[in-house]
Amino acid sequence: KNEVEQSPQNLTAQEGEFITINCSYSVGISALHWLQQHPGGGIVSLFMLSSGKKKHGRLIATINIQEKHSSLHITASHPRDSAVYICAVQQGAQKLVFGQGTRLTINP
Amino acid sequence: GAGVSQSPRYKVAKRGQDVALRCDPISGHVSLFWYQQALGQGPEFLTYFQNEAQLDKSGLPSDRFFAERPEGSVSTLKIQRTQQEDSAVYLCASSLRFTTSTDTQYFGPGTRLTVL
Repeated sequence: KNEVEQSPQNLTAQEGEFITINCSYSVGISALHWLQQHPGGGIVSLFMLSSGKKKHGRLIATINIQEKHSSLHITASHPRDSAVYICAVQQGAQKLVFGQGTRLTINP
Repeated sequence: GAGVSQSPRYKVAKRGQDVALRCDPISGHVSLFWYQQALGQGPEFLTYFQNEAQLDKSGLPSDRFFAERPEGSVSTLKIQRTQQEDSAVYLCASSLRFTTSTDTQYFGPGTRLTVL
């Protein structure tokens, strides 16, 4: 079993829908990261959080340390949100352990 | 430069060739990481530098993989006698501070290596 599990692996939705991507992990962490990767492009850090909730524009990330679970939400989704979203956990030292990613497609 | 840069962006090698992949981190960033991302998978850690010191190389898959950062800035990942299973995107990331702090990592665009 991977240390970081994401669900779903693939998600297709219509423009405007509310999107939720889930991440569960099995190890102790110092922080959890949500990252975005566009096809052929590099990886962009969206959030780094160790407790509670963070919001940036239409994106919201939450984490429950006791349950070892995090969610990434996108409100009023748009086709430009189409990308792979990756959850990664940090254990003490800065090395990241990544989930396999969730491929999100938003249709107009 | 504004961000992390990597070169080349694409590399095609014949099986058995040696390759060298370069990473230019953000100026002043102390920490530098190399990751390997196979097609359709999340990245996997290869190695980590703090300045010129290689503090963790536990992710290097074999002794054919070697990384260096001799002056604490630019880093090179070298793969000797490439094999088809080495085909992947190699990502470099840098962050400002040291291992004791959680910090945002800034990723380069990656080098896509294809071994024929």
